[in-house]
Amino acid sequence: EEHLVESGGVVVQPGGSLRLSCAASGFNFDDSSLHWVRQPPGKGLEWVSLISWNGDFIYYAASVKGRFTISRDNSRNSLYLQMDNLRTEDTALYYCVKGGFYYMDVWGKGTTVTVSS
Amino acid sequence: QSLLTQPPSVSAAPGQKVTISCSGSSSNIGNNIVSWYQHVPGTAPKLLIYDDDQRPSGIPDRFSGSKSGTSATLAITGLQTGDEADYYCGTWDSTLSVAVFGGGTKVAVL
Repeated sequence: EEHLVESGGVVVQPGGSLRLSCAASGFNFDDSSLHWVRQPPGKGLEWVSLISWNGDFIYYAASVKGRFTISRDNSRNSLYLQMDNLRTEDTALYYCVKGGFYYMDVWGKGTTVTVSS
Repeated sequence: QSLLTQPPSVSAAPGQKVTISCSGSSSNIGNNIVSWYQHVPGTAPKLLIYDDDQRPSGIPDRFSGSKSGTSATLAITGLQTGDEADYYCGTWDSTLSVAVFGGGTKVAVL
């Protein structure tokens, strides 16, 4: 069964940094594009970033560009999100998601990031 | 403000039909494929429809998707209490090179 498990969510102060991780199993990780999607409290789904199977193509939402960095390690079946210069509006449940440009077919259960002083 | 516009909520009695609209532009829905997701709070979102109108294995045929021009529609027939959830449309915006979701529609079974 295809499985994604996120980790690394904590409480951090504004301006701080954090790295989220996502461990994958049950599918060909190095053939798959992957996303980070977040849901702020009481709000809808918000796409964050996409990385291609080999890391050659990377895309970011305007709200995180220049502050967040997506990366992957195909030898470890792992996806990462380095989050720098965090803002209170980055507070959200962050999902790791398998999928390409047009659909996202496997979702993790998410990890919670809280940015607060 | 999302690039894709959905109604905030829809409702109907058990057994009835609801439709959820998703309006976009030529940069996204008009030239790209649409997907739909069901999200029950506290659980992981689930892919309901991909490639505009295709259902993944295990999704009942009560759920159907369609697209015309710059708008897409999700229909749920034979509404059940277990269908109460938030529903999101999604696609790619070719002009901005970003993935986009609609604002979400809450389905209530009366």
